[in-house]
Amino acid sequence: DAGITQSPRHKVTETGTPVTLRCHQTENHRYMYWYRQDPGHGLRLIHYSYGVKDTDKGEVSDGYSVSRSKTEDFLLTLESATSSQTSVYFCATNAGGTGTEAFFGQGTRLTVV
Amino acid sequence: GNSVTQMEGPVTLSEEAFLTINCTYTATGYPSLFWYVQYPGEGLQLLLKATKADDKGSNKGFEATYRKETTSFHLEKGSVQVSDSAVYFCALSDQGGSEKLVFGKGTKLTVNP
Repeated sequence: DAGITQSPRHKVTETGTPVTLRCHQTENHRYMYWYRQDPGHGLRLIHYSYGVKDTDKGEVSDGYSVSRSKTEDFLLTLESATSSQTSVYFCATNAGGTGTEAFFGQGTRLTVV
Repeated sequence: GNSVTQMEGPVTLSEEAFLTINCTYTATGYPSLFWYVQYPGEGLQLLLKATKADDKGSNKGFEATYRKETTSFHLEKGSVQVSDSAVYFCALSDQGGSEKLVFGKGTKLTVNP
């Protein structure tokens, strides 16, 4: 268990409001990721980080931003939430290296009404 | 770009039946291949992996062989149990050094007693 904590675990918010999801890890892993899980799509990468203040876009980054000011924390922000961002969000970490295992948090269920 | 196609299911089996979940991939180079499992209400966890052609990953009675000639990584288990009921995801990681994962859409397995 890589000690990944996501907060909050559940959130309901209104369209147009900003939302920030937090991922905290205790394993000092270099890489951190945010994925969203939707029926019929599996998991899709939103953004990832390869070090403090080093981030890059994933497959579905529109409408999302991220920040990593400390190794252990990776924040995902929806600047103005839309109903299409209703989803389950998973944070993951990886120490790095070919074929290394990714460790996942328990997920955050976000509903935008 | 890289992609993963897997049998979507749902799959319903009786206890002790044989399981196969097909997975094929498209990628440049030599990606690492994974099967992750998601139990209800939880995040994903690694089931098994293979990092080069002809490698066989195995864990908890599950097996998958990295077949480069057919670009496949099919998951098999000889005798499933009720406790194997879960969603199974095939995935590959790119070789850019970030270990980003590309997932298939997932296959829901239900095993009945």
